[in-house]
Amino acid sequence: QSALTQPASVSGSPGQSITISCTGTSSDVSEYNYVSWYQQHPGKAPKLLIYDVTDRPSGVSNRFSGSKSGNTASLTISGLQAEDEADYYCSSYTSSSTYVFGTGTKVTVL
Amino acid sequence: QITLKESGPTLVKPTQTLTLTCSFSGFSLTTGGVGVGWIRQPPGKALEWLALIYNDDDKRYSLSLKNRLTITKDTSKNQVVLTMTNMDPVDTATYFCVHQEWNQLQFDYWGQGTLVTVSS
Repeated sequence: QSALTQPASVSGSPGQSITISCTGTSSDVSEYNYVSWYQQHPGKAPKLLIYDVTDRPSGVSNRFSGSKSGNTASLTISGLQAEDEADYYCSSYTSSSTYVFGTGTKVTVL
Repeated sequence: QITLKESGPTLVKPTQTLTLTCSFSGFSLTTGGVGVGWIRQPPGKALEWLALIYNDDDKRYSLSLKNRLTITKDTSKNQVVLTMTNMDPVDTATYFCVHQEWNQLQFDYWGQGTLVTVSS
């Protein structure tokens, strides 16, 4: 199972919106609406941001939103804030009843 | 409040077997559909899903590592154990224990992680 493909880095200025893509295959992202997104600050455990492509857990800011089209899922961060600077990972359930993560994206707030 | 904590050796030698324990609280692995799994992250690299065990003892393994992994549970102790055989320096990573809620396919709670270094 190959890792999902994410851009290595994305940057934006405070207040702007950025979008991180996550490209998979017909065996994962495009097959299921079970894409989730995680935020990881340095030295910390990842935190769940989005699940089932578009849903946010309680307590997660509505500045984070998810979508999917075909084999590509996306995470959009609107109103970018300094605290959003972190690594972001997508994940998908697969046709093998396993899970696959993305290659990770480093978000920099300029 | 759900918490998970990983424990195990910080250093193992090549070819040895790694045994990691996840001790959890705030939920029971006797509850239908609940799962506990393991995810690892080599230094500076991406997350990699390893294994998952459900309340009914259903087990799932990474296809690339399934020959080396075994996941078990001890519901009386609220623990899940992961063993990985034939350790190699490329297995050096932080290993995270994670919780999966009933009928959900995301990992909503994570342990703090434990760094395992493989070196002679």
